[in-house]
Amino acid sequence: DAGVTQSPTHLIKTRGQQVTLRCSPKSGHDTVSWYQQALGQGPQFIFQYYEEEERQRGNFPDRFSGHQFPNYSSELNVNALLLGDSALYLCASRRDSEQYFGPGTRLTVT
Amino acid sequence: GESVGLHLPTLSVQEGDNSIINCAYSNSASDYFIWYKQESGKGPQFIIDIRSNMDKRQGQRVTVLLNKTVKHLSLQIAATQPGDSAVYFCAENPLPPGGYNKLIFGAGTRLAVHP
Repeated sequence: DAGVTQSPTHLIKTRGQQVTLRCSPKSGHDTVSWYQQALGQGPQFIFQYYEEEERQRGNFPDRFSGHQFPNYSSELNVNALLLGDSALYLCASRRDSEQYFGPGTRLTVT
Repeated sequence: GESVGLHLPTLSVQEGDNSIINCAYSNSASDYFIWYKQESGKGPQFIIDIRSNMDKRQGQRVTVLLNKTVKHLSLQIAATQPGDSAVYFCAENPLPPGGYNKLIFGAGTRLAVHP
């Protein structure tokens, strides 16, 4: 059984560009959350998707948006990239209480 | 791979010793708490969880203690092994109405196990 998978593994973008990150949840999981982890810090909650709708959002600007597909996979989009968006972006999926995290996508904005 | 937690507090222990990692949480309404282990280049890995109606829970070589009075959580690792070296995060789940959950992570502690 594959766990949570994310793509790409690493990504380098330039300020002002847009980026899309992808996540496939663990089999049987219907809820996907996205987190941003800056170097040396704990993950920060961005938003959560369930039944293809965003149902909770953390303190992130509208430049951060997402989508969940009928197969429960999800995308995170970030527009107008800033240097401060450089971080590890983690996807987590769950069905009940326990959340399983993917390996993350390392985004570097130059 | 990249390093997680370059400037985190570090707990150094000898192989075979017991380790205790502490965490203070912020929201008295949180009812679910989790400890995660994160190795360099990887996502957080679930270790053990505890609900607010409990004050202790044991797993394999790990024990979590919850003190709701002072909003304190601890993770005890018995007979620490080199493979336990990682950054450890506590996370709390403050349930809003509706039961949707998000995790609020602590700052993390680096555990360094020396042979």
